[in-house]
Amino acid sequence: SQTIHQWPATLVQPVGSPLSLECTVEGTSNPNLYWYRQAAGRGLQLLFYSVGIGQISSEVPQNLSASRPQDRQFILSSKKLLLSDSGFYLCAWSLEPYEQYFGPGTRLTVT
Amino acid sequence: TQLLEQSPQFLSIQEGENLTVYCNSSSVFSSLQWYRQEPGEGPVLLVTVVTGGEVKKLKRLTFQFGDARKDSSLHITAAQTGDTGLYLCAGNNYGQNFVFGPGTRLSVLP
Repeated sequence: SQTIHQWPATLVQPVGSPLSLECTVEGTSNPNLYWYRQAAGRGLQLLFYSVGIGQISSEVPQNLSASRPQDRQFILSSKKLLLSDSGFYLCAWSLEPYEQYFGPGTRLTVT
Repeated sequence: TQLLEQSPQFLSIQEGENLTVYCNSSSVFSSLQWYRQEPGEGPVLLVTVVTGGEVKKLKRLTFQFGDARKDSSLHITAAQTGDTGLYLCAGNNYGQNFVFGPGTRLSVLP
């Protein structure tokens, strides 16, 4: 069966510091991978998606970036965090064009 | 830009009551998904509907996709406290991208 991992689970970072969030998927090959951000108790905002190694599409211009160095690894990064980057970050994978499966999320607080 | 709206935004009911929440758009989707999310966790996929007019049942939950594939509803019969959570709908249109609604926050009181 497939599983998706995210770490860290919780992160508190000062403004201006760098960021690296990691997502890995097990039990499948060549999945589509996604990064979302969720404001408190609300819907999901798509940040990036990837259909293959090194292929990244950005949905929202911002100071975040994403990379996919391996087939089942997806990384979200920032060189300098802003207060507005605080939120709940979710990674998801899909194979079929109509089903997505989410990881447990990372709660990021920028202070 | 495809958008999804959900109503109501908040819903608080007593255990045992029935409820319906809605997901609407002016755009056509090839498929629509419903998720439930609990605080501090990732959304969990409940169901996918792909055919206009389709009805799917998952125990006490009934999902319907509109004939025109622009809207969907989720009906819960005899709600339980374990149904409490944020219900999200998401649409997909034959591509990699998913559009999410803002969610309905359901509280089922004992």
